Amino acid sequence: ETGVTQTPRHLVMGMTNKKSLKCEQHLGHNAMYWYKQSAKKPLELMFVYNFKEQTENNSVPSRFSPECPNSSHLFLHLHTLQPEDSALYLCASSQDIRAYNSPLHFGNGTRLTVT
Amino acid sequence: GNSVTQMEGPVTLSEEAFLTINCTYTATGYPSLFWYVQYPGEGLQLLLKATKADDKGSNKGFEATYRKETTSFHLEKGSVQVSDSAVYFCALTHLFSGNTGKLIFGQGTTLQVKP
Repeated sequence: ETGVTQTPRHLVMGMTNKKSLKCEQHLGHNAMYWYKQSAKKPLELMFVYNFKEQTENNSVPSRFSPECPNSSHLFLHLHTLQPEDSALYLCASSQDIRAYNSPLHFGNGTRLTVT
Repeated sequence: GNSVTQMEGPVTLSEEAFLTINCTYTATGYPSLFWYVQYPGEGLQLLLKATKADDKGSNKGFEATYRKETTSFHLEKGSVQVSDSAVYFCALTHLFSGNTGKLIFGQGTTLQVKP
């Protein structure tokens, strides 16, 4: 079983839908992250959680709502999205945000298409 | 602020050619430096890292040396294979006041290796 698992792998949703992305890590890590990867753009950090507490919100629009019920699970709730939100959404985990030399472990991402 | 700059891609090489992907950074003090690789349809995975000046990170035939005098961390491989075709990301993290080790990525360089 991979260390970081994301579901679903692909998601197509209309602008009025509500959906959620799920991320689960089996590495015993305490920090979890959401990144957005769009074509022709650098990776964008969206949210960071450490020990279930949100430590960073990188000016993300409120139509994206994260939830971290425990250190192993991370959700991204989506509602009233725009077509420009279509992208690959990557979840990652690390030991602890203060252990800055420890690498991030990424899931395979959810490819989101907003129609 | 801290930043990472990579050479523009795509880089197209024939199998067994020598690879260099340039990466330079801007940061105060002594950041830690990383190379991540993203194979098609997958998330990012750590390729190698170096945490102090003159350190050499290596993995799977790839190498990169942390050069503080030139603020560089160029990725090299002596003989590439078709299976090395992927997107390569240079990244840094730095522990300084107000930040707890957020990973800063370059824009990524696409490598295509032809048989």
